[in-house]
Amino acid sequence: EDQVTQSPEALRLQEGESSSLNCSYTVSGLRGLFWYRQDPGKGPEFLFTLYSAGEEKEKERLKATLTKKESFLHITAPKPEDSATYLCAVGSYNTDKLIFGTGTRLQVFP
Amino acid sequence: DADVTQTPRNRITKTGKRIMLECSQTKGHDRMYWYRQDPGLGLRLIYYSFDVKDINKGEISDGYSVSRQAQAKFSLSLESAIPNQTALYFCATSVLGNEQFFGPGTRLTVL
Repeated sequence: EDQVTQSPEALRLQEGESSSLNCSYTVSGLRGLFWYRQDPGKGPEFLFTLYSAGEEKEKERLKATLTKKESFLHITAPKPEDSATYLCAVGSYNTDKLIFGTGTRLQVFP
Repeated sequence: DADVTQTPRNRITKTGKRIMLECSQTKGHDRMYWYRQDPGLGLRLIYYSFDVKDINKGEISDGYSVSRQAQAKFSLSLESAIPNQTALYFCATSVLGNEQFFGPGTRLTVL
């Protein structure tokens, strides 16, 4: 069964304190792994797609990496405006649906 | 202008009422999806559609129905709303199963 697990559930960081969010997955035939950012009461905002192990993508203070079992979202020198819930999802070649994790709620304090 | 729009943005209704949530997109995508989000449960798929003639049930379709009126429009109906359908509802679109793009959401409260 396709499954996505994100950890930790919540993370509190001081501004400038770098850290990583984890997304572990099991899927038959990975078509892509997707990262989203979601602000309270708003729709998820697409960040990255990773297709194969070893791939990396960056956007401002965020860098996403992928292995055969997990993905990491590295946040370098975060700012308070990076506070949000970060969602991970996987797509399989066997289905057109995405399987979402429950997210990591990140709070960055000044 | 937003690529994926949802109406209404907020709705309060009573148990037993019929309600329709609407989604429109200008991205030209063929695939459209309806999700609900509840605290601690994440996003759960209700229905999805690959084109106007193709509608599929997701993991939690009971109590819901959908209509794909055109490539750009996908509506979700609650025939007889109940309190446990209180949630945030999101519409999303994609092309060929790639990344999905979400609308701003509808906050639905059933009293």
